[in-house]
Amino acid sequence: QLQLQESGPGLVQPSETLSLTCTVSGGSISSSSYYWGWIRQPPGKGLEWIGTIYYTGGTYYNPSLKSRITISMDTSKNQFSLTLSSVTAADTAVYYCARLGGQQLAHFDYWGQGTLVTVSS
Amino acid sequence: QSALTQPASVSGSPGQSITISCTGTSSDVGTYNFVSWYQHHPGKAPKVIIYDVSKCPSGVSNRFSGSKSGNTASLTISGLQTEDEADYYCCSYAGSRTYWVFGGGTKLTVL
Repeated sequence: QLQLQESGPGLVQPSETLSLTCTVSGGSISSSSYYWGWIRQPPGKGLEWIGTIYYTGGTYYNPSLKSRITISMDTSKNQFSLTLSSVTAADTAVYYCARLGGQQLAHFDYWGQGTLVTVSS
Repeated sequence: QSALTQPASVSGSPGQSITISCTGTSSDVGTYNFVSWYQHHPGKAPKVIIYDVSKCPSGVSNRFSGSKSGNTASLTISGLQTEDEADYYCCSYAGSRTYWVFGGGTKLTVL
């Protein structure tokens, strides 16, 4: 059974960089059959897609966040990561990592439990 | 403001059917048959219940069904059960610039 687990600091100072890692078990992120992504949910709000990475290293970012985001992967550790720079209180959210799967690679079929990141001094 | 519009809340009694709408534009829902729906119990990982507009993943109850007409997708839950009480989100592919957009979520209350 595929499992994803987010990890990283729960508190980040304003203007600093948020860094999260997703560790995947039960499957390989090097598979050509899937994409891997990050999604967030601010308190009391809906889900927002952040970005996605493919095993080739190709990345796709939310245009509204593109200037501040980097998604990378470490195949030796079976992990992929998110960095979000110059954070503000608006970046406070539960951050989820997920797999984009299915025959069309068009839905998020496995998700992590999510990790709350608070931006505050 | 979310890219896709969903009602904030819906409610129903056990055994009844409810429908949740998800309205997008011709740039997302209206063009692509890549609409998915997620059930989210607070504190847990979201779970896909419908993908590619109307397909049901293995292991998901066939009480969940999806459809699309024009720029609006719909999720129908028949034979409501108390465990269906959760938040529901729609998601659509939106092309090679925006990629993925979500709805604001709908809170389902089973009375």
